[in-house]
Amino acid sequence: EIVLTQSPDTLSLSPGERATLSCRASQRVSSNFFAWYQQKPGQAPRLLIYGISSRATGIPDRFSGSGSGTDFTLTISRLEPEDFGVYYCQQYGGSQTFGRGTKLEIK
Amino acid sequence: QVQLVQSGAEVKKPGASVRISCKASDYAFTTYYIHWVRQAPGQGLEWMGIVRPTSGFTNYARKFEGRVTMTRDTSTTTLYMELSSLRSDDTAVYYCARDDLLGALHNWGQGTPVTVSS
Repeated sequence: EIVLTQSPDTLSLSPGERATLSCRASQRVSSNFFAWYQQKPGQAPRLLIYGISSRATGIPDRFSGSGSGTDFTLTISRLEPEDFGVYYCQQYGGSQTFGRGTKLEIK
Repeated sequence: QVQLVQSGAEVKKPGASVRISCKASDYAFTTYYIHWVRQAPGQGLEWMGIVRPTSGFTNYARKFEGRVTMTRDTSTTTLYMELSSLRSDDTAVYYCARDDLLGALHNWGQGTPVTVSS
């Protein structure tokens, strides 16, 4: 099973700042089977990025994904108040696994 | 717009079983796989398995094999997830989610809270 390690655990930033979230896989992720999700309290997760860098429907272009192999990054270029929440990475190349999440909080 | 509407909250005793439904609508039901994911209180997401609506093919996470059964009813476009031999650590919110044929989960149900307590 591929283990995904996200860093940092918590990121404290202000609106307008740039956010960089990381996810490292214990093994190479197959093809481009990698995604990022956002979750807010009491809500289901929402897909942001799939195939490493493709934005899901309705996701603004301040969200971008990059990476390959075992190292992946989610970047939010300029934080909006609604961007704060918990972010999870996922690999779906085989048996699916998720990272433990990065909490993005308002500084 | 894709809709996945799940059944309501459940409270079960240890050792019992729970069956959760996920009603799918507004898309080609037989085309896309449905996954089940759970989230324990204050914890992250845990993938449980996948069901293919056309054939009923399933693939379960090793952790749940022998305890989980995922089925579908094509006549009502409803998916079901049954988890047996419940323990307190099965207390979680359970989600169904539709993928894009590769595995990214584009649409999610609202979640079904399950509490296991004596």
